[in-house]
Amino acid sequence: EDKVVQSPLSLVVHEGDTVTLNCSYEVTNFRSLLWYKQEKKAPTFLFMLTSSGIEKKSGRLSSILDKKELFSILNITATQTGDSAIYLCANRGGNNAGNMLTFGGGTRLMVKP
Amino acid sequence: DTEVTQTPKHLVMGMTNKKSLKCEQHMGHRAMYWYKQKAKKPPELMFVYSYEKLSINESVPSRFSPECPNSSLLNLHLHALQPEDSALYLCASSPQDGVFGYTFGSGTRLTVV
Repeated sequence: EDKVVQSPLSLVVHEGDTVTLNCSYEVTNFRSLLWYKQEKKAPTFLFMLTSSGIEKKSGRLSSILDKKELFSILNITATQTGDSAIYLCANRGGNNAGNMLTFGGGTRLMVKP
Repeated sequence: DTEVTQTPKHLVMGMTNKKSLKCEQHMGHRAMYWYKQKAKKPPELMFVYSYEKLSINESVPSRFSPECPNSSLLNLHLHALQPEDSALYLCASSPQDGVFGYTFGSGTRLTVV
């Protein structure tokens, strides 16, 4: 059974801090790993990672994948209160008949002013 | 149009009612999904449709009945639900090979009374 584990479960920081969120996975059919931000409703796509060692960057957010050690990290620098959300990582498995996302439990980030 | 639209946004139904959730996308995605998300939990996959055919059913009870009338629409028919079925129901779509990741709808918050 595919397994995706995120840590920490929750995190409280102050504005301006840098945070690192962790995601480890054990899956039978790895295709890619995705990061999402979920505030109130729909998860919002952040990154999709397929290759090891290549950093993806979007503003203050960046992410990297290590396929040998089976983990990914999401970094947020200079955090802002608007970064408060649940961050989900998911493995995209499945085959040509369909793509399955297996989500980790999420990291709940709270950024205080 | 880069959105997945779900209706209704909120639904309260009795255990003897029959209702339907609707999902629509016009991005040309050929894979569509239903996820169920309980409070403080990650989304869990329910169904995957690929080219309008059901390709994955994650052992979902028969009181949930999916339907894909065409490549843009996905329905979830509900009948004789239980209070524990109350959750956020998320629809998502992706290109068949999922290269650019998933797009989630805003969800339907379902309460079964």
